[in-house]
Amino acid sequence: AQTVTQSQPEMSVQEAETVTLSCTYDTSESDYYLFWYKQPPSRQMILVIRQEAYKQQNATENRFSVNFQKAAKSFSLKISDSQLGDAAMYFCAYRSDYNTDKLIFGTGTRLQVFP
Amino acid sequence: NAGVTQTPKFQVLKTGQSMTLQCAQDMNHEYMSWYRQDPGMGLRLIHYSVGAGITDQGEVPNGYNVSRSTTEDFPLRLLSAAPSQTSVYFCASRPHRETGELFFGEGSRLTVL
Repeated sequence: AQTVTQSQPEMSVQEAETVTLSCTYDTSESDYYLFWYKQPPSRQMILVIRQEAYKQQNATENRFSVNFQKAAKSFSLKISDSQLGDAAMYFCAYRSDYNTDKLIFGTGTRLQVFP
Repeated sequence: NAGVTQTPKFQVLKTGQSMTLQCAQDMNHEYMSWYRQDPGMGLRLIHYSVGAGITDQGEVPNGYNVSRSTTEDFPLRLLSAAPSQTSVYFCASRPHRETGELFFGEGSRLTVL
């Protein structure tokens, strides 16, 4: 069975600085998708970024980028120029390309942003 | 488009009571699902549906029932509520044949006393 591990329960960053959130996963499959979701205090789950395992190039969305290391099964999220609005819970998630019906989530990392 | 709409947002039940969490989406998505979120455990899949009339169990289905009579609606029923079902529940949907993102509702906080 696939698992997703987020080893940092909490992280903090100064406004305008850069922070990296860690995520590792375990799978025997070669085709899959990885996601980072943001959950602000409003509780809404918002997709931040997505990475297809077959793509070697790391995904980027504005200030958000990932470091995808397939061999190491690592998928970290880098937030550049952090803003107060980035404060939230961040969840890493895995989805198999063979069983697309189930999204497997990590336990989350709470990010605090200080002015 | 309203996206994925969940009702109610908050609910308090007594042990043994039954209730239904409603979920509706107006994006004509084939796939719909229910997750529960508990502290320190992330989100876990309860039930899902790949189309009207088709449902299947996820990781934690016990104590919950679902049906999918229309594409738009996917209600989650608690048959006899237990304190262990105190949680935040999320409904989500996506077009079945695409590999894109899940669209989540705003969540429903349920407390069982």
